Amino acid sequence: EAGVTQSPTHLIKTRGQQATLRCSPISGHTSVYWYQQALGLGLQFLLWYDEGEERNRGNFPPRFSGRQFPNYSSELNVNALELEDSALYLCASSPGGKTEAFFGQGTRLTVV
Amino acid sequence: AQSVTQLDSQVPVFEEAPVELRCNYSSSVSVYLFWYVQYPNQGLQLLLKYLSGSTLVKGINGFEAEFNKSQTSFHLRKPSVHISDTAEYFCAVSDGEYGNKLVFGAGTILRVKS
Repeated sequence: EAGVTQSPTHLIKTRGQQATLRCSPISGHTSVYWYQQALGLGLQFLLWYDEGEERNRGNFPPRFSGRQFPNYSSELNVNALELEDSALYLCASSPGGKTEAFFGQGTRLTVV
Repeated sequence: AQSVTQLDSQVPVFEEAPVELRCNYSSSVSVYLFWYVQYPNQGLQLLLKYLSGSTLVKGINGFEAEFNKSQTSFHLRKPSVHISDTAEYFCAVSDGEYGNKLVFGAGTILRVKS
């Protein structure tokens, strides 16, 4: 069974540009979570999507947004990139209910 | 609000020695607790979880953890470590209110020396 897959693995963007990160959850999982792991800031919750709806977001500005598609895959969009957006972005998926989340390998975003 | 404190930022230990990575949490409601491991330039892998039931939880790679409600702790232990256990370990808590949204500790780097 395939795990959570994220693409691309690495992404280099210029300040002010937009970045799009993609995530495919484990088959049968309806929830997708996005986390940012920035140097010195630890793992911070960004967004939660379930059944196509945004259910919760963390303390991030509106230029961080995303969506979930009917097949439960998800996109994270970061507009007007800033240098401090450089980080590892991790996607996780889980089935409905109170169980564990499974993580992908992450997308390393570098803003120059 | 929930929070997680990992008391040690780095733990050096010799191969085949026992190790304990400490985790304390703060929450006003019932919680679910997790330990994840992250190898360099990789994502997070679930080591073990406490959802309910027995307070002693066994996970993969010989790790175990004990949920102590009175101490609000969930320390991770392994009786004999290997070089391959060198990695960063994260304790995380969820209250289930927002699905499986996790609040993470700052992480503990385990360095196993030969």
